[in-house]
Amino acid sequence: GAVVSQHPSWVICKSGTSVKIECRSLDFQATTMFWYRQFPKQSLMLMATSNEGSKATYEQGVEKDKFLINHASLTLSTLTVTSAHPEDSSFYICSARDLQSGLDNYGYTFGSGTRLTVV
Amino acid sequence: SQQGEEDPQALSIQEGENATMNCSYKTSINNLQWYRQNSGRGLVHLILIRSNEREKHSGRLRVTLDTSKKSSSLLITASRAADTASYFCATDGNNFNKFYFGSGTKLNVKP
Repeated sequence: GAVVSQHPSWVICKSGTSVKIECRSLDFQATTMFWYRQFPKQSLMLMATSNEGSKATYEQGVEKDKFLINHASLTLSTLTVTSAHPEDSSFYICSARDLQSGLDNYGYTFGSGTRLTVV
Repeated sequence: SQQGEEDPQALSIQEGENATMNCSYKTSINNLQWYRQNSGRGLVHLILIRSNEREKHSGRLRVTLDTSKKSSSLLITASRAADTASYFCATDGNNFNKFYFGSGTKLNVKP
């Protein structure tokens, strides 16, 4: 089945530094990937849609200069949290769709998430 | 949440009992999905129901959809301790490429 690998699974960084999170589709190509963030005991909030070869589209209220998304290939999207602050500490999850999967499952596979802690 | 609410927020039952979770959403949809998340982990897709379907089964899972009420329910029958997790509904808001999640129900199945 479709597998999405997310790396790193956890990261601790100092305030003011930048952190890059990778999302890879391992056995399929994904022209579109999605980035979510999740605060403790809360739901997932869609942050942005990552489009291969073009600019990402951001949800309302998400700072595009803060959360840089690059989707340079059909199997890799990266999210860079720039100048991280403690309030950026969260669980970040990516997902991608395998277009070859059957209709009963639109094929959205999620990565295992990245726990970011900014100190 | 971006799309809707789920209730209850938390549910605690004994192993063997049935668990019912409800999801309400705000906009018209093409389909609705249910996902499961173990604590601090990624999401696992459980089941998808299309907007023209009213009920769907998968193993011990039964999902219903009422588009007139903009609501869905997930029933887990004969629950097991391993079913302990958070359950989220997700809708596409008429956009096949985006999914928005409900607020989630935290299910605890006591052995």
